[in-house]
Amino acid sequence: KAGVTQTPRYLIKTRGQQVTLSCSPISGHRSVSWYQQTPGQGLQFLFEYFSETQRNKGNFPGRFSGRQFSNSRSEMNVSTLELGDSALYLCASSLGPGNGNEQFFGPGTRLTVL
Amino acid sequence: AQSVSQHNHHVILSEAASLELGCNYSYGGTVNLFWYVQYPGQHLQLLLKYFSGDPLVKGIKGFEAEFIKSKFSFNLRKPSVQWSDTAEYFCAVIDYKLSFGAGTTVTVRA
Repeated sequence: KAGVTQTPRYLIKTRGQQVTLSCSPISGHRSVSWYQQTPGQGLQFLFEYFSETQRNKGNFPGRFSGRQFSNSRSEMNVSTLELGDSALYLCASSLGPGNGNEQFFGPGTRLTVL
Repeated sequence: AQSVSQHNHHVILSEAASLELGCNYSYGGTVNLFWYVQYPGQHLQLLLKYFSGDPLVKGIKGFEAEFIKSKFSFNLRKPSVQWSDTAEYFCAVIDYKLSFGAGTTVTVRA
């Protein structure tokens, strides 16, 4: 079974631009969560989607948004990029929402903002 | 909100040494706890998890963790490390999201 895939793997943008990252969950998984990983802040939750609906959102500004499609694939968008948005963005999929479902992580997208 | 804290930022060991990484969680109710590992250049992988039952949990690659409710702890152990265990280790607790500790970088010298 293929794992979680994320595209692109690396991205370089300049301040003020916007970016869209993509995540394809494991086949049969319907829940997708996004996390930001930085050396200073560690791993922080961005948001979770299930059945095309955002169920939960972390403490990030409105410039960070996402969506989920009917095939469970998800995208996240960051508008008006800032230097501090440079990070590894991780996507995780699980069978469904809730505490009992293990989350499987993708390799991440490394975003560099210049 | 639930949270976890990890005691060590960086641990350096020689091969065959024993490893123990500390993790404490904040929530006093029912908790679901995880240890994840991130090898250099690789994605986060689940080492083991505790939901309920036997407080001594065995995971992959010879790792185990002990859930001690009275101490709010979920420490990770491995009796004898190998060079390939060099990685960053994260303790995490889940409610609707995973909340991770700051991570512990483990360097195993050959």
